[in-house]
Amino acid sequence: GAGVSQTPSNKVTEKGKYVELRCDPISGHTALYWYRQSLGQGPEFLIYFQGTGAADDSGLPNDRFFAVRPEGSVSTLKIQRTERGDSAVYLCASSPQPTGLNGYTFGSGTRLTVV
Amino acid sequence: GENVEQHPSTLSVQEGDSAVIKCTYSDSASNYFPWYKQELGKRPQLIIDIRSNVGEKKDQRIAVTLNKTAKHFSLHITETQPEDSAVYFCAAPTGTASKLTFGTGTRLQVTL
Repeated sequence: GAGVSQTPSNKVTEKGKYVELRCDPISGHTALYWYRQSLGQGPEFLIYFQGTGAADDSGLPNDRFFAVRPEGSVSTLKIQRTERGDSAVYLCASSPQPTGLNGYTFGSGTRLTVV
Repeated sequence: GENVEQHPSTLSVQEGDSAVIKCTYSDSASNYFPWYKQELGKRPQLIIDIRSNVGEKKDQRIAVTLNKTAKHFSLHITETQPEDSAVYFCAAPTGTASKLTFGTGTRLQVTL
């Protein structure tokens, strides 16, 4: 597609439930990133994929968070046993360069609200 | 890891005036510094970036300067317009440069 596409745009879930957030990067972009942005804050790194593999997952806050990119294109961020503190906008970005030094193109994000 | 500090947190200028936002970083190996603009409810958008082999870069009314010795870089917006009102974030690469550390943001308000 023309840009990074994220679905759903909004997700409201109950505490303790499981959610999946989807990211469809720009066609041909090998690098894919997930960030989380809390209200009034800058984006915080979660995980980076180069192709199908997670090259850096040091930003995932705990083992409730997991992400996959099985075919090197679409990625899914999975959150188990959601907590109210997980409420944030989850941003996906992609880049044509492996190291991302050409800057990211962010998607519109998924606003997750845990009630 | 990288530590990025951004100032000021809010900035109000009159239309036509200049605005300057400053960031400092901690990792002397960092070599790429992007700036993002985020309008309310929208995605961050890359507006300008600079690499460590130059000290300044301009794009119309926007410029970024880099001082590697002092480890700070600044965003300059001249002839500000109401549509420049947004939150601006600086960022610097961390570790292997596979990820960015963002500043805390500057809310710029351009008044008529």
